[in-house]
Amino acid sequence: NAGVTQTPKFQVLKTGQSMTLQCAQDMNHEYMSWYRQDPGMGLRLIHYSVGAGITDQGEVPNGYNVSRSTTEDFPLRLLSAAPSQTSVYFCASSRLAGVNNEQFFGPGTRLTVL
Amino acid sequence: DAKTTQPPSMDCAEGRAANLPCNHSTISGNEYVYWYRQIHSQGPQYIIHGLKNNETNEMASLIITEDRKSSTLILPHATLRDTAVYYCIVSPGYTNAGKSTFGDGTTLTVKP
Repeated sequence: NAGVTQTPKFQVLKTGQSMTLQCAQDMNHEYMSWYRQDPGMGLRLIHYSVGAGITDQGEVPNGYNVSRSTTEDFPLRLLSAAPSQTSVYFCASSRLAGVNNEQFFGPGTRLTVL
Repeated sequence: DAKTTQPPSMDCAEGRAANLPCNHSTISGNEYVYWYRQIHSQGPQYIIHGLKNNETNEMASLIITEDRKSSTLILPHATLRDTAVYYCIVSPGYTNAGKSTFGDGTTLTVKP
């Protein structure tokens, strides 16, 4: 099992550019989510999904879009990048039900917006 | 989801037990306490979780008070590699399991 994979590892954008951060998991987890982590801070939830075709907003959804067409993939789209979106982005997945539903995190994408 | 409160930082001597506290006074009856840690800038890693009974695994022990309003993560013999940010979160044990709020956590520094 590869677990949760994220691409790219690093990205530099100019203000106003758009891009998609990729996230994939091979554990057949229903639940997937995106977090951002600013320097010295904890993780903040951007969007999450409880299954294919179902997404919802987290704490800080503005400026981001998501879709979930398959169980495996959960891409995060930045519509028009801003310097305030400079951050490290983590994708996570977990089982939806049951008591052993710990989250598995990817290695992160480090994004800089100039 | 219930909010948690953790001290911002703690030190521990290598080889000694590290006891990391967490307050979750608004926890609901169906919410579990989860602990994760983040080493350097890697993705957070699951450590342990529990509902109301104390739990132990190969990494740590979790002590939850009888009223469930607080808990303590215990690393029995801390090593330098345990230096990390430790997050305590609460989350339902079913449905919306991952819609968890991570605070700023506790930065544990293990010193030689």
